[in-house]
Amino acid sequence: DSGVTQTPKHLITATGQRVTLRCSPRSGDLSVYWYQQSLDQGLQFLIQYYNGEERAKGNILERFSAQQFPDLHSELNLSSLELGDSALYFCASSVLGGRPVGELFFGEGSRLTVL
Amino acid sequence: ELKVEQNPLFLSMQEGKNYTIYCNYSTTSDRLYWYRQDPGKSLESLFVLLSNGAVKQEGRLMASLDTKARLSTLHITAAVHDLSATYFCAVESRETSGSRLTFGEGTQLTVNP
Repeated sequence: DSGVTQTPKHLITATGQRVTLRCSPRSGDLSVYWYQQSLDQGLQFLIQYYNGEERAKGNILERFSAQQFPDLHSELNLSSLELGDSALYFCASSVLGGRPVGELFFGEGSRLTVL
Repeated sequence: ELKVEQNPLFLSMQEGKNYTIYCNYSTTSDRLYWYRQDPGKSLESLFVLLSNGAVKQEGRLMASLDTKARLSTLHITAAVHDLSATYFCAVESRETSGSRLTFGEGTQLTVNP
């Protein structure tokens, strides 16, 4: 158990819908990273927050947004969902602020299926 | 843009044998990480390599980093079935939009009795 908690574990929804994925980092970690894992794209970095502030941005679509709250949990919002958004979404946390990144501890992931 | 390439992508080996997984990357970095992922599961941190020449060992796995060659290796000694998993290397880079880990495609290892 990495100490990173993600909910929900599984989510099935329809195209055009909006979902929210939630992540609680390990106790003491201030950085949260979001990654998308799919068969065709592999593990893709989406976005990083440190203590509520966006620190790094990767291949995140405009339809996706994220934020980190004062209690350090983070949410990833996916809207206008398309079939291609079906993937496993991982949250990871780190004690470091992102410069450097440091060792990441991953949650169990949220498996999103868009029908 | 940083590119991280692993080879082989698929590896089937017999118990008791040795093998090496290679991780090449395209731009300068002195921080590299290895992760293990079991099917449908999360990623588990294996090794953190923070400088040129770094070598770390844990059980039957040993990882090394050569920053000049932009190469890391994960060596498996006397493989056992429990090592069957997908192994990822991840390279840290600083980009204009912030630092991040870029993952390789993963090497799916199957250890057969």
